[in-house]
Amino acid sequence: RKEVEQDPGPFNVPEGATVAFNCTYSNSASQSFFWYRQDCRKEPKLLMSVYSSGNEDGRFTAQLNRASQYISLLIRDSKLSDSATYLCVVNMRSNFGNEKLTFGTGTRLTIIP
Amino acid sequence: AAGVIQSPRHLIKEKRETATLKCYPIPRHDTVYWYQQGPGQDPQFLISFYEKMQSDKGSIPDRFSAQQFSDYHSELNMSSLELGDSALYFCASSLGMGGSGTGELFFGEGSRLTVL
Repeated sequence: RKEVEQDPGPFNVPEGATVAFNCTYSNSASQSFFWYRQDCRKEPKLLMSVYSSGNEDGRFTAQLNRASQYISLLIRDSKLSDSATYLCVVNMRSNFGNEKLTFGTGTRLTIIP
Repeated sequence: AAGVIQSPRHLIKEKRETATLKCYPIPRHDTVYWYQQGPGQDPQFLISFYEKMQSDKGSIPDRFSAQQFSDYHSELNMSSLELGDSALYFCASSLGMGGSGTGELFFGEGSRLTVL
């Protein structure tokens, strides 16, 4: 079983719609959580961090449920530019204290005009 | 603003050959990470360095080695290349221990290795 699991999609969603992704992680000692975005053949880039209390950044809302070990991302009023692969990322500190990010397989989103 | 620089951007090698990838982190970043991303796959963590010392090791094959130099740039050396090594290799950097806890790694544009 992978440490971080996501529905690979693809999700084909009409422009303006709301779409939600979920992600589950297996290691209960995981310390922090993030959503990264990756465009085709490009490098991953941080979209937003995920906090226990839930957090919102414009049209994007992220939530964390530690008890159930899942993370969600909600995109409202989707735009064509939202088309990308969304990577759920779980962070554990290594023994040296630096970041050790584990990526999910990613969920591919295509926004349809 | 300066980003993570990787070279070469594209590399074609034959089986059993050797390849070296280079990574120049963002200025003042002292931690470097290497990830491998196969076609349709998620990025897989290979190895990381903090202050020129190996800080963590992931699924890096024994045929691969890496180091971080005094100027903080890093090199990933791959020997006895196999067809399955064809992938996009990302380098990422962060500042300080724990990357200030933000979890934000800054990725380079990647080096695409093709093994024929």
